[in-house]
Amino acid sequence: GQNIDQPTEMTATEGAIVQINCTYQTSGFNGLFWYQQHAGEAPTFLSYNVLDGLEEKGRFSSFLSRSKGYSYLLLKELQMKDSASYLCAVRLSPLYGGATNKLIFGTGTLLAVQP
Amino acid sequence: DTGVSQDPRHKITKRGQNVTFRCDPISEHNRLYWYRQTLGQGPEFLTYFQNEAQLEKSRLLSDRFSAERPKGSFSTLEIQRTEQGDSAMYLCASSSRQGAEANEKLFFGSGTQLSVL
Repeated sequence: GQNIDQPTEMTATEGAIVQINCTYQTSGFNGLFWYQQHAGEAPTFLSYNVLDGLEEKGRFSSFLSRSKGYSYLLLKELQMKDSASYLCAVRLSPLYGGATNKLIFGTGTLLAVQP
Repeated sequence: DTGVSQDPRHKITKRGQNVTFRCDPISEHNRLYWYRQTLGQGPEFLTYFQNEAQLEKSRLLSDRFSAERPKGSFSTLEIQRTEQGDSAMYLCASSSRQGAEANEKLFFGSGTQLSVL
């Protein structure tokens, strides 16, 4: 089976840094994605990792350790507009996943940024 | 191009009725996905098209669900004899392979929120 775990909710303060963790146990791995989803809106792509290490993109960074089945999303200089759900998703390799581009999502982490 | 479009945004229906949703992907994208999302959960994969061919269906997709992509462009998702458990957000996503497949991104539409009374 496929299992992706992330915290249900987090709270942080405007201007601070927050780290959202994601652990996964999947049969096959072909990349890890982070999406942001505001209430009632479409998930929007934030970042992806396919190799171990840190990928930085402005205020957002994502880290991957394939041996540990672990990733995190780091948000710096938090703004009120960053209040949203953050979805961790694993792409399964074709051998295990069937459709080559299918993403398996975690339940999402609802981040509340407070003034 | 304004991205992935879904219609309608909201649908309220009575149990037992049939409903149909439409998705227009980004024009050059040949891959199209349907996902379902309930409150507080992440999207769950339903089905996948490459061009007009439906290449995979999730076990979540019962016989009451059918999806088509007749000309390899827009897609429809039909639910027959709706049940209250079908109430969810139905998301469509599209993609096109450019370079390494591992980093191919899905672009999502805003979804159709279905409420079955």
